[in-house]
Amino acid sequence: NAGVTQTPKFRILKIGQSMTLQCAQDMNHNYMYWYRQDPGMGLKLIYYSVGAGITDKGEVPNGYNVSRSTTEDFPLRLELAAPSQTSVYFCASSYSLEEDQPQHFGDGTRLSIL
Amino acid sequence: AQSVTQPDIHITVSEGASLELRCNYSYGATPYLFWYVQSPGQGLQLLLKYFSGDTLVQGIKGFEAEFKRSQSSFNLRKPSVHWSDAAEYFCAGSTRTYKYIFGTGTRLKVLA
Repeated sequence: NAGVTQTPKFRILKIGQSMTLQCAQDMNHNYMYWYRQDPGMGLKLIYYSVGAGITDKGEVPNGYNVSRSTTEDFPLRLELAAPSQTSVYFCASSYSLEEDQPQHFGDGTRLSIL
Repeated sequence: AQSVTQPDIHITVSEGASLELRCNYSYGATPYLFWYVQSPGQGLQLLLKYFSGDTLVQGIKGFEAEFKRSQSSFNLRKPSVHWSDAAEYFCAGSTRTYKYIFGTGTRLKVLA
């Protein structure tokens, strides 16, 4: 089972460049999430989606955009990369928004902006 | 404000020793609670979850956690640690929304 797949695993960007972090899940989950993980800070929610065509902001959405054209894919877009966006990014999915449904995580994308 | 706190940033134990990782929560009502483990270069894997009922929850890899309402705690335990348990451990809570609140994590080192 592939689960949640993130690409790329590593990337170095220059300030001002743009890129898209890819996330795909094969579990037919309606709900998908993007988090960033900074040292000593735990995980912070960037954006989430409750289904194709529906997205909403999390705790730290500034500087990011998302889209959800299919159930399987939930890409995260950085338009103008800034050093503050250096982080590890995790995509997750879940069967529902019910609080007892655990989220399934990808292996992360490690992004450095120089 | 809702929060999940993991007081220990790093813990070191010897292989075969017992382990307890602390987690405290602050919510208006009892949240649903989770423990995740993150091995180096990997995503987060669910170890166990608590919703209601029996306050001692069994998880994968020999881990268990005990919910204590009076102490607002959900500590993770393992009777005998293996070298492969070295990882970072995250406690998380959620209520009637999409939103997980994660603790800042505890990094476990296991000495041979």
